[in-house]
Amino acid sequence: NAGVTQTPKFRILKIGQSMTLQCTQDMNHNYMYWYRQDPGMGLKLIYYSVGAGITDKGEVPNGYNVSRSTTEDFPLRLELAAPSQTSVYFCASSPGTGGWQPQHFGDGTRLSIL
Amino acid sequence: KQEVTQIPAALSVPEGENLVLNCSFTDSAIYNLQWFRQDPGKGLTSLLLIQSSQREQTSGRLNASLDKSSGRSTLYIAASQPGDSATYLCAGLYNQGGKLIFGQGTELSVKP
Repeated sequence: NAGVTQTPKFRILKIGQSMTLQCTQDMNHNYMYWYRQDPGMGLKLIYYSVGAGITDKGEVPNGYNVSRSTTEDFPLRLELAAPSQTSVYFCASSPGTGGWQPQHFGDGTRLSIL
Repeated sequence: KQEVTQIPAALSVPEGENLVLNCSFTDSAIYNLQWFRQDPGKGLTSLLLIQSSQREQTSGRLNASLDKSSGRSTLYIAASQPGDSATYLCAGLYNQGGKLIFGQGTELSVKP
């Protein structure tokens, strides 16, 4: 009963390095989302996808890129890591029309940029 | 600008007490209002989802209400237990693609 799986769980990067945060879901959900959560704050939407091949920007997309080649996977790419990108990143998915049913969340990736 | 606010940021109550968590939103044109629970080091778990046409939803000891005209939602927890200790977040849905606007969360501690 995997649901939404995120890897890695923890990562430390140096400024200027790049990395990809992986997200996969086994529920055949069309909608997938990437959020970041800073300490004491709610989640902010980075990018979302309504299906394979379709992505769109959220509130805070700068410094990130995404792709959606399959229904199951929605990786998030950081090209030039900056200290401001230190955060906890959550991936989520939802079935059908995303708004009418709850989103299912992974356990997060805790990323530190030093 | 669409904003969601939760006050207080933290709340501590003795076990057995009934309590209310508050959520306010600036734009009443929401599709729905969702309440989530977040345990330390974990992702979010959906608790209740209230459609814009509804006034409240109930699940066990939890009851969530929605008043679009005043821009407020409340989460009522009856007979609180130490296991209810967590951070509770509310979020408003503002487009059908699933764009949620989150509040900052209320960290609840229920003391035995």
